[in-house]
Amino acid sequence: ETGVTQSPTHLIKTRGQQVTLRCSSQSGHNTVSWYQQALGQGPQFIFQYYREEENGRGNFPPRFSGLQFPNYSSELNVNALELDDSALYLCASSLAAGELFFGEGSRLTVL
Amino acid sequence: AQSVTQLDSQVPVFEEAPVELRCNYSSSVSVYLFWYVQYPNQGLQLLLKYLSGSTLVKGINGFEAEFNKSQTSFHLRKPSVHISDTAEYFCAVGVGGSTLGRLYFGRGTQLTVWP
Repeated sequence: ETGVTQSPTHLIKTRGQQVTLRCSSQSGHNTVSWYQQALGQGPQFIFQYYREEENGRGNFPPRFSGLQFPNYSSELNVNALELDDSALYLCASSLAAGELFFGEGSRLTVL
Repeated sequence: AQSVTQLDSQVPVFEEAPVELRCNYSSSVSVYLFWYVQYPNQGLQLLLKYLSGSTLVKGINGFEAEFNKSQTSFHLRKPSVHISDTAEYFCAVGVGGSTLGRLYFGRGTQLTVWP
């Protein structure tokens, strides 16, 4: 049974650019949630996808968007990057309302 | 609205000493409670969870936590810590009937175990 994998692990972008982060959910899981963890902070909920539909969103602007694919993998897209978008982005998969299993994250630095 | 307060940002302790990491939450509805651990440059690993039933919950690595509804607390304890317990610990709350998988996290407590 494979766990949650995220890519890339690290990346550097400049302000105004766009970024796509990817997440492969744990085998058998149909729900993916994305969190942003700024330095020194706890994770904050961005949004969740359940069976390819967005199923809840946190307090993030529309330039944060996502997708979930039929195999339940997911993407997080961020447009018009700002300096404050620098953070660790965590993906977690689960089976409906079950326990969240987190990946190791993608660390984004915006210069 | 839900919120989680971790009362200590840093907790230093000597090896083999007991430790308690404090967590308080606010919510107007029933909650689920979690403690996660994060080692440097890694994701979050679940230590333990309270969903219902017994208020004393045992987790991995010898940790336990007690749910106290009247005090809205979910403090994490370990009777004897090891160097390897040095990490960031996060308390989180999930709300019944809310978005599946949406957790509200505290700001974390850095536990440092000294030899």
